[in-house]
Amino acid sequence: DSGVTQTPKHLITATGQRVTLRCSPRSGDLSVYWYQQSLDQGLQFLIQYYNGEERAKGNILERFSAQQFPDLHSELNLSSLELGDSALYFCASSVKGWQGNTGELFFGEGSRLTVL
Amino acid sequence: QQQVKQSPQSLIVQKGGISIINCAYENTAFDYFPWYQQFPGKGPALLIAIRPDVSEKKEGRFTISFNKSAKQFSLHIMDSQPGDSATYFCAARGGSGSARQLTFGSGTQLTVLP
Repeated sequence: DSGVTQTPKHLITATGQRVTLRCSPRSGDLSVYWYQQSLDQGLQFLIQYYNGEERAKGNILERFSAQQFPDLHSELNLSSLELGDSALYFCASSVKGWQGNTGELFFGEGSRLTVL
Repeated sequence: QQQVKQSPQSLIVQKGGISIINCAYENTAFDYFPWYQQFPGKGPALLIAIRPDVSEKKEGRFTISFNKSAKQFSLHIMDSQPGDSATYFCAARGGSGSARQLTFGSGTQLTVLP
């Protein structure tokens, strides 16, 4: 158990809909990362938050947005869903945004999104 | 360029054999190179990692070999076991300060036959 909790584990929805994925990081971790895993794209970095502020953006679509709340949990909002958005969405957390040497990301078990 | 290229896409090895997975990168600013292991239904978990000032790191049956001049690194699994069957991802860390993030390779699905 990595200590990172993601909900829901599975989600089935229709095209055009909007969903919210939730992540609770490990206790004490300030950084939260969102990754998308699809069969042909591997793990794609979407966005990172550190202590409530956006720190880095990757290949995140404009239809997607995220935020990190004062209690450090994070939500990833996916809107106007398309079939191609079907994927596993992982949240990960790390200590202090890697200002230390450990460099380790702790991943949750993911939220599997299916868009029909 | 933030890309990390990983090969092979899949690998089948007999029990007791050596599994070798290779990765290449272009960005010389990457400063940390971890390997993650992912079992079905689980998130990736850190397996072993290396910094670019070291050419090799060994932890048990797992070894990372790092070639800075060639911008390549590889994972060797000695005496491979069926329990090692999983997807392996190489990664490289970029960015600075609190804005660092990992760029992952495309993954290698390893199957170790009993």
